[in-house]
Amino acid sequence: EVQLVESGGGLVQPGGSLRLSCAASGFIFSNYDMHWVRQATGKGLEWVSAIGTAGDTYYRGSVKGRFTISRENAKNSLYLQMNSLRAGDTAVYYCAGKPGYGYAFDIWGQGTMVTVSS
Amino acid sequence: DIQMTQSPSTLSASVGDRVTITCRASQSVSSWLAWYQQKPGKAPKLLIYKASTLESGVPSRFSGSGSGTEFTLTISSLQPDDFATYYCQQYSSYWTFGQGTKVEIK
Repeated sequence: EVQLVESGGGLVQPGGSLRLSCAASGFIFSNYDMHWVRQATGKGLEWVSAIGTAGDTYYRGSVKGRFTISRENAKNSLYLQMNSLRAGDTAVYYCAGKPGYGYAFDIWGQGTMVTVSS
Repeated sequence: DIQMTQSPSTLSASVGDRVTITCRASQSVSSWLAWYQQKPGKAPKLLIYKASTLESGVPSRFSGSGSGTEFTLTISSLQPDDFATYYCQQYSSYWTFGQGTKVEIK
């Protein structure tokens, strides 16, 4: 079964750090570009960060310099290190995958909640 | 940055209705446009990519059209399982989602 499972979410104080993980199974992880997408409660989807099969990385402006995306193909895992967290980062974080250029996000995890609050 | 604008924000319809959702891009995205369906508490599900290509397993009542800056998602005959929120997404330059269209029961 094709699956992505996120973990690592929780409650953190403003300025704190959190590391999200996404475990992949049922497909060739190394062939997929991987993304993080977030959704604040009651709001729409917001793309956060991406990492290509070659390790190239991309970030939305508001998280650049604070978040770091990485992948470990040997462990079929994707990560998002989040530092200097703000209240505006509070959301459900989804990992998602796409099988290369020209394709959209065809695999999604169930999401993990991140709450930034004092 | 490319902005995506969907209309309407909310749509009230009945089972069996033909439903059309529009998505406009602030600049051309060619055909690099996808549509997703999301139900409450669930992850989004890919319906259509490359503007008009139906994802495997998605019912044929869903169709997509358009290119450049204007796109549409059409549900030919709305079914009870289709009441959900729909998002367009451009992937021409980075990745941007529309604000969503909620399809609710009339």
